[in-house]
Amino acid sequence: AQTVTQSQPEMSVQEAETVTLSCTYDTSESDYYLFWYKQPPSRQMILVIRQEAYKQQNATENRFSVNFQKAAKSFSLKISDSQLGDAAMYFCAYLQGAQKLVFGQGTRLTINP
Amino acid sequence: DTGVSQDPRHKITKRGQNVTFRCDPISEHNRLYWYRQTLGQGPEFLTYFQNEAQLEKSRLLSDRFSAERPKGSFSTLEIQRTEQGDSAMYLCASSQRDRAYEQYFGPGTRLTVT
Repeated sequence: AQTVTQSQPEMSVQEAETVTLSCTYDTSESDYYLFWYKQPPSRQMILVIRQEAYKQQNATENRFSVNFQKAAKSFSLKISDSQLGDAAMYFCAYLQGAQKLVFGQGTRLTINP
Repeated sequence: DTGVSQDPRHKITKRGQNVTFRCDPISEHNRLYWYRQTLGQGPEFLTYFQNEAQLEKSRLLSDRFSAERPKGSFSTLEIQRTEQGDSAMYLCASSQRDRAYEQYFGPGTRLTVT
């Protein structure tokens, strides 16, 4: 079964600085999707960024970018110019069987003003 | 398009009682998913529907849990004889059939079993 591991339970960063959240996964599939979701306190899950495994180019969405290392099964999220509104739980996820999402344990990100 | 909605947002119940949650997906989405998120953990898949057909159930979905989507629109998740271990956030998501990589989540129903 596919697993997703986030080894950083908590991270903090100064406002306007850059932070990288780590994620590794295990799969035997060759084509798949990976995601980073953001869950602010008491608010719903929001998709931050998506990566298709067959695309070698790393996905980018404004201040958010990923470093996708397929051979190493690594999928990190870089947040540039951190803002107070970025404070949230961040979950790495894998789409299993093109159907259901498998999530990591999450990383709580704190932004220090 | 009002997004995925869930009702109620919060539910407090006593152990042994039955509870039912409702999820209304985005109107044109024919796939609907249920996930459970316990405190400090990532969501875990419970089950999903394509139209009215329930296509997969997780081992997490014990016999006390039942989900339905009778007309292929809204879905209900019922938990019978609740236990304290059922306390969690129950999340609903929806997508188009061929776009499971675009799942939109609702705000969740937080269940507390006392």
